Amino acid sequence: NAGVTQTPKFRILKIGQSMTLQCAQDMNHNYMYWYRQDPGMGLKLIYYSVGAGITDKGEVPNGYNVSRSTTEDFPLRLELAAPSQTSVYFCASSYGQKNTGELFFGEGSRLTVL
Amino acid sequence: QQQVKQSPQSLIVQKGGISIINCAYENTAFDYFPWYQQFPGKGPALLIAIRPDVSEKKEGRFTISFNKSAKQFSLHIMDSQPGDSATYFCAATQGGANNLFFGTGTRLTVIP
Repeated sequence: NAGVTQTPKFRILKIGQSMTLQCAQDMNHNYMYWYRQDPGMGLKLIYYSVGAGITDKGEVPNGYNVSRSTTEDFPLRLELAAPSQTSVYFCASSYGQKNTGELFFGEGSRLTVL
Repeated sequence: QQQVKQSPQSLIVQKGGISIINCAYENTAFDYFPWYQQFPGKGPALLIAIRPDVSEKKEGRFTISFNKSAKQFSLHIMDSQPGDSATYFCAATQGGANNLFFGTGTRLTVIP
């Protein structure tokens, strides 16, 4: 049982480049999330999805896009990368019906924009 | 605006000692307060959680104390061990994980 799998684990981008962070879960969770983690700032929600075809903005969505075509996958797209997007990105998932706040996280993707 | 305020930012404790991390919130509508533990290079993982209808919850060496009137909650780690060295995040939500606000984290180091 792999849980939440993120790829790539590390990536360096140049300013203005674009890329997609991949996230897949095998727990049949309806809810999926993307967070970014910056030193001393905790985790901030970028986007979330409550099911295939449904996405919504979180606290810090600017500069990002998401899609949810299947229950398993929730990719995060960075368009026109900026240094402010240097961060560690975490994908997470949770049960849909009894949404108690328990998130299952992947191991993170460290992105550096130079 | 930080919805959940966490302190201290870092904490060093001797093996066998008690580690205490504090969090405060303003939104009285929050109805679920989890604590997450994160080891270096890993994602956070749920450690323990509490709802505001109880004042304390204990799981092994980990205890959450909750003070509803003061809008504060804290994590106590008894008999702290080097394996407890990690970053701890408190969080709060109203209505579920899609509305979860995290504290800024506390890096705990337990010295042998």
